[in-house]
Amino acid sequence: NAGVTQTPKFQVLKTGQSMTLQCAQDMNHNSMYWYRQDPGMGLRLIYYSASEGTTDKGEVPNGYNVSRLNKREFSLRLESAAPSQTSVYFCASSDRGAGANVLTFGAGSRLTVL
Amino acid sequence: AQKITQTQPGMFVQEKEAVTLDCTYDTSDPSYGLFWYKQPSSGEMIFLIYQGSYDQQNATEGRYSLNFQKARKSANLVISASQLGDSAMYFCAMRERGRGTASKLTFGTGTRLQVTL
Repeated sequence: NAGVTQTPKFQVLKTGQSMTLQCAQDMNHNSMYWYRQDPGMGLRLIYYSASEGTTDKGEVPNGYNVSRLNKREFSLRLESAAPSQTSVYFCASSDRGAGANVLTFGAGSRLTVL
Repeated sequence: AQKITQTQPGMFVQEKEAVTLDCTYDTSDPSYGLFWYKQPSSGEMIFLIYQGSYDQQNATEGRYSLNFQKARKSANLVISASQLGDSAMYFCAMRERGRGTASKLTFGTGTRLQVTL
């Protein structure tokens, strides 16, 4: 059972280049999320999608766009990368069952912007 | 706005001993959830335990328990009988209600736990 799969795992970009991080989940979850993790700052929410067809901003959305392509896939796009976007990016998904609505995370994508 | 505070950047514990990782939170929402995640050096985020704000009893999952003190707004993680494999970064997080059934988490800055022989 793959869970949440992110690609690529590593990427190096030059300032101004664009790229898309891909995320897919096979758990039939309704909600999907993109977080970034910087040293000493924990994880911060960039965007989330409560269900297919909806997307909403999180705490740090500037410089990013997202697309909920279908129920399984949620992509994050950097149109013009900046060094401040050097980070580890995590995709996650969740579904409201009984109780916790736990987020399941992908393995992370390490992005370096030079 | 919700806030999560983890005041211990690093902790050491001897193998087989118990350890408590501190977490305090602030929210004006009467309905919330508290989570603990483990991040080993390999980088993945592993869910450990959950406590709902209306749960009457403290949550337990194997060697993990959550010491939930609602009046003090604290949700400390207790790991009993520490093992070398428990060495990792530990994050406390609080759920804020998002659109529909989405579960937006606010994370603390984490505590790095090192288990020694």
